[in-house]
Amino acid sequence: LAKTTQPISMDSYEGQEVNITCSHNNIATNDYITWYQQFPSQGPRFIIQGYKTKVTNEVASLFIPADRKSSTLSLPRVSLSDTAVYYCLVGVGGSGNTGKLIFGQGTTLQVKP
Amino acid sequence: DGGITQSPKYLFRKEGQNVTLSCEQNLNHDAMYWYRQDPGQGLRLIYYSQIVNDFQKGDIAEGYSVSREKKESFPLTVTSAQKNPTAFYLCASSIGGGSFYEQYFGPGTRLTVT
Repeated sequence: LAKTTQPISMDSYEGQEVNITCSHNNIATNDYITWYQQFPSQGPRFIIQGYKTKVTNEVASLFIPADRKSSTLSLPRVSLSDTAVYYCLVGVGGSGNTGKLIFGQGTTLQVKP
Repeated sequence: DGGITQSPKYLFRKEGQNVTLSCEQNLNHDAMYWYRQDPGQGLRLIYYSQIVNDFQKGDIAEGYSVSREKKESFPLTVTSAQKNPTAFYLCASSIGGGSFYEQYFGPGTRLTVT
């Protein structure tokens, strides 16, 4: 599974757009990029997943350049409740895969009033 | 409501005792997982099961055991052989066994062994 690198922490203010970039230089052809969010003492929650270009849902956008060696999670107009740890994961999709997710330390986002 | 339940939320045990953590899901998911999380760290995979009556070791299986006799249940036993059992334990499930599939996590069990 491809190793990912993301900033340990980020600060932002309410109402701002936050972009968290993840580096995954060894991403394989079959790998998908997935982001999870975790609040203290809770299990992670799936945010968004993509393979290439741009994916958008009601919570976030995911930008993936053509070489797919990095990806950027974009959170529009953050609020205090977006304070959490954000994990970038890269793994192979499809049947036959173990479903093994590797969670690094993630990025701790602190949103200030 | 569909989801994953873990019980209890907090668990205290004396060193040398085995303890079993419960995980139940009513999402009709085939795959289930157990993770361990230590303070300030990401999650590490202990065991996973892609189908009933089958399971595989994850990255840190030593000192743990599991069973998967029913689709909806995947209990984890922390044995006395586990050197540092105090941690936050998370159970998850997904439709399929590929990492492409969204994993749904339970609320977790915080185990303290003294």
